[in-house]
Amino acid sequence: NAGVTQTPKFQVLKTGQSMTLQCAQDMNHEYMSWYRQDPGMGLRLIHYSVGAGITDQGEVPNGYNVSRSTTEDFPLRLLSAAPSQTSVYFCASSYREETGEYFGPGTRLTVT
Amino acid sequence: DQQVKQNSPSLSVQEGRISILNCDYTNSMFDYFLWYKKYPAEGPTFLISISSIKDKNEDGRFTVFLNKSAKHLSLHIVPSQPGDSAVYFCAASAGNQFYFGTGTSLTVIP
Repeated sequence: NAGVTQTPKFQVLKTGQSMTLQCAQDMNHEYMSWYRQDPGMGLRLIHYSVGAGITDQGEVPNGYNVSRSTTEDFPLRLLSAAPSQTSVYFCASSYREETGEYFGPGTRLTVT
Repeated sequence: DQQVKQNSPSLSVQEGRISILNCDYTNSMFDYFLWYKKYPAEGPTFLISISSIKDKNEDGRFTVFLNKSAKHLSLHIVPSQPGDSAVYFCAASAGNQFYFGTGTSLTVIP
């Protein structure tokens, strides 16, 4: 099992550009989520999905879109990048609440 | 508003001693509480969880205690080992959403 994979590992964008962060899992988990980690802020939930075709907003959804067309994939789209979106982004998946989430290795995004 | 708080940014412990990491929360509707460990440049790794209806859960060297009246949980690591040096996040879940604390950096001194 590859677990949760994320691409790219690093990305630099200019303000106003758009891009998609890719996330895939091969564990057949229904639940998937996206977080951003900023210094002193911990991990904050951006969007999550409880199954294919179902998505919902987390704590900090503004400026981001998601879709879930398959169980395996959960891409995160930045519509018009802003310097405030400079962060490390983690994708995760879960089987049940009590077993916790499996996290990908993260994408470090810098917006200039 | 932070619903899960870790007020100690860092902790240093001698190898072989007990490490106690603390976490406070504000939302009484949380179903599960979880602890994760994170090394630099990696994603967090799940360690242990506890249901809101329990007050203790143990897994090897790791024990989590939950005090619902105080809205407080703690992670005990006994004995601490140098490989335990990492950032530890507590998290809580409610309604398909997970809320994370800001993390405590644990250093275990050989």
